[in-house]
Amino acid sequence: EAQVTQNPRYLITVTGKKLTVTCSQNMNHEYMSWYRQDPGLGLRQIYYSMNVEVTDKGDVPEGYKVSRKEKRNFPLILESPSPNQTSLYFCASSKGQGNTEAFFGQGTRLTVV
Amino acid sequence: GQNIDQPTEMTATEGAIVQINCTYQTSGFNGLFWYQQHAGEAPTFLSYNVLDGLEEKGRFSSFLSRSKGYSYLLLKELQMKDSASYLCAVFGGSTLGRLYFGRGTQLTVWP
Repeated sequence: EAQVTQNPRYLITVTGKKLTVTCSQNMNHEYMSWYRQDPGLGLRQIYYSMNVEVTDKGDVPEGYKVSRKEKRNFPLILESPSPNQTSLYFCASSKGQGNTEAFFGQGTRLTVV
Repeated sequence: GQNIDQPTEMTATEGAIVQINCTYQTSGFNGLFWYQQHAGEAPTFLSYNVLDGLEEKGRFSSFLSRSKGYSYLLLKELQMKDSASYLCAVFGGSTLGRLYFGRGTQLTVWP
């Protein structure tokens, strides 16, 4: 089954404790991206990647890191999480350069206390 | 900057037709998407327009006018399960690699 898998689905952590949210897709898609969704603000792109070893900043990259060492995986790293990073995070993948249907993961609800 | 506007909320009754508008101003344009998102779930793809005109897909249609920076999503024969947030998104940016979302239109369908 074609899918994008994020883990964990829910996470409560403390300020400053490094964490990684994993994202994996099995569709051989070139384009992957991370979004955060906050009430009243909609989905905002954090980082995107057009292919292996190619990543670029989105609207709100501060406090986040990504890597794309393999085509299928695109982890999101928070080196020192802060309460303002409490949000619902979505990973997505799409074919080609990204201007095609995006498939979203189930979301990760992160709370930083 | 990038600007995508859509109404915050709309209501309609079962069986009716509703049109959700989206206006955009972005640097670079390489297509406009509509996604549906039910509360607590991931967005799912509805439609994609890159050329001017109407794309029809069952009960859902989407229209694009690039010269006016305008799109709409038309939902016919509304059902209760269509109650959801509808997200307009533009693919573009200076590198033509960015996806910009509007804040979403929360549609409530009443019986």
